[in-house]
Amino acid sequence: KQEVTQIPAALSVPEGENLVLNCSFTDSAIYNLQWFRQDPGKGLTSLLLIQSSQREQTSGRLNASLDKSSGRSTLYIAASQPGDSATYLCAALGGGADGLTFGKGTHLIIQP
Amino acid sequence: NAGVMQNPRHLVRRRGQEARLRCSPMKGHSHVYWYRQLPEEGLKFMVYLQKENIIDESGMPKERFSAEFPKEGPSILRIQQVVRGDSAAYFCASSVGENQPQHFGDGTRLSIL
Repeated sequence: KQEVTQIPAALSVPEGENLVLNCSFTDSAIYNLQWFRQDPGKGLTSLLLIQSSQREQTSGRLNASLDKSSGRSTLYIAASQPGDSATYLCAALGGGADGLTFGKGTHLIIQP
Repeated sequence: NAGVMQNPRHLVRRRGQEARLRCSPMKGHSHVYWYRQLPEEGLKFMVYLQKENIIDESGMPKERFSAEFPKEGPSILRIQQVVRGDSAAYFCASSVGENQPQHFGDGTRLSIL
């Protein structure tokens, strides 16, 4: 059974810093890995999706990497802004499940 | 080019009543997934459906919960005889095919009085 873990559970940093969010998964037989953003009381916004054959994806100030062999993915946020404050979720597709397996998220606060 | 549409956005029910949550997938998507997010917990997969077929319901509670995706119309997640513990946000996602990227709706927040 696939399990996804996100570290840290919460993070608070000053505006302008670069930061890294970590995600690990137990079963490397995944089809893809997605990073989402969730604002309080809102739905999920897909940020980046990495197919199992890819190593990384970039969108603006965001960069996500995938290392299937070690069961890890990282989300790098450059030059953080207060508007980046949200919960970031990592989700793996595959590894014995038809649906996405989500981590519990990293609650990020960017201090102005 | 509407995304995944869920309604209602908020639903309040008293214990023992029935709750019906609707999900219209993105245009061209024939695969639907339902997830539940309990307070202070992560999202959990409930059920995966294609048109007129339940493919995987391994995440569904054994009793009171059912899902369907008819040939015409939205997918429905039905909860009978609701209890306080059913209070959660229920999210629907759709994809164009199996193992393809999933696109999420804004969710239905279910509150049980």
